[in-house]
Amino acid sequence: DGGITQSPKYLFRKEGQNVTLSCEQNLNHDAMYWYRQDPGQGLRLIYYSQIVNDFQKGDIAEGYSVSREKKESFPLTVTSAQKNPTAFYLCASSIDRLPTEAFFGQGTRLTVV
Amino acid sequence: AQTVTQSQPEMSVQEAETVTLSCTYDTSESDYYLFWYKQPPSRQMILVIRQEAYKQQNATENRFSVNFQKAAKSFSLKISDSQLGDAAMYFCAYKPGTASKLTFGTGTRLQVTL
Repeated sequence: DGGITQSPKYLFRKEGQNVTLSCEQNLNHDAMYWYRQDPGQGLRLIYYSQIVNDFQKGDIAEGYSVSREKKESFPLTVTSAQKNPTAFYLCASSIDRLPTEAFFGQGTRLTVV
Repeated sequence: AQTVTQSQPEMSVQEAETVTLSCTYDTSESDYYLFWYKQPPSRQMILVIRQEAYKQQNATENRFSVNFQKAAKSFSLKISDSQLGDAAMYFCAYKPGTASKLTFGTGTRLQVTL
């Protein structure tokens, strides 16, 4: 079945450590996105990519990094520079530049202690 | 920069009644797309309805319909005959026609009461 997969569902890390969240899709979508969701703040865009080997900063990119080496994969690294990394992270993909819906993964809950 | 504003953090509706969720957006683009997503407690995002800016006719999907006012940059969602399963967070989203950036509002939590 086609879809978008995020792993793991729950992730715990110690403060000061970098951590990478996985996002894989087999929908043949060009565009992929990373969002952060905090209570009362909605979904805030961290990074997005329209094509392999290219990506753009979203509204809250500081402290995060991404790569897009393959069309299917868009991993997000939460670096130690991110001041408040504990949050729910959602990955999504869509066909580029069309009014089709974005498909979302199940999300990763990251807790930094 | 495009922004999406949902001014109602919480709304409540009785079962079988109608409720309208508000959304406004700011853009200088003429070609764009608007979406309403639902996020139930499972946190899985589900598309409710979409609207293309060039279409004057308001989109409808069963009990869900929108009131798209392009000049006012308003995109409200009407839920008719509300059901208990409609209880969720609802997010309005904007996507320009020339790029892939998908921007969400802060959401409205909808409660459905008996």
